[in-house]
Amino acid sequence: DTAVSQTPKYLVTQMGNDKSIKCEQNLGHDTMYWYKQDSKKFLKIMFSYNNKELIINETVPNRFSPKSPDKAHLNLHINSLELGDSAVYFCASRITQGAWNSPLHFGNGTRLTVT
Amino acid sequence: RKEVEQDPGPFNVPEGATVAFNCTYSNSASQSFFWYRQDCRKEPKLLMSVYSSGNEDGRFTAQLNRASQYISLLIRDSKLSDSATYLCGFGNEKLTFGTGTRLTIIP
Repeated sequence: DTAVSQTPKYLVTQMGNDKSIKCEQNLGHDTMYWYKQDSKKFLKIMFSYNNKELIINETVPNRFSPKSPDKAHLNLHINSLELGDSAVYFCASRITQGAWNSPLHFGNGTRLTVT
Repeated sequence: RKEVEQDPGPFNVPEGATVAFNCTYSNSASQSFFWYRQDCRKEPKLLMSVYSSGNEDGRFTAQLNRASQYISLLIRDSKLSDSATYLCGFGNEKLTFGTGTRLTIIP
């Protein structure tokens, strides 16, 4: 069983479109993240939710809107896609329960290409 | 000072050799430290957590130096299958990653 699963795995779309990426974890973790890995392989945090509450919101354009309907799901909606949004987006989760010393478990990534 | 500094490599090392790399961090309040391995076109996977007293897992040894704010990873008797990019990660509620060190083991 996949622990952290993302869909879709590949997403090719045109500039200006709106798209969503979904993430689900079945590990019982209470904190979920979105990271963006660009062509230079730099893994940059975007958002984090703890028990459905937004706790980290890095300097991400407001075209990106995360939503966490419950603590097992964290989706990412992107409006008005731009060429620079092309990257691999990784969802991740961890168990925290107030102690921030547990590792992240990553999903297998969504490769977004904007043309 | 950058949040994290990691030598991008590439490190090209003969099979059987020992290789080590470091990662320095700027946030002295960091509580958690990790090494991840990322294969080409795959997701990062946890290699090992790094504890204050240092820890070992088979051929891999990780160490933390809080005074100098760096973590290290030592790989002994390197195997071809160790070829990958190694990412350091640290922080608290926010985990920040280095840019990765690319390692290639040469037969």
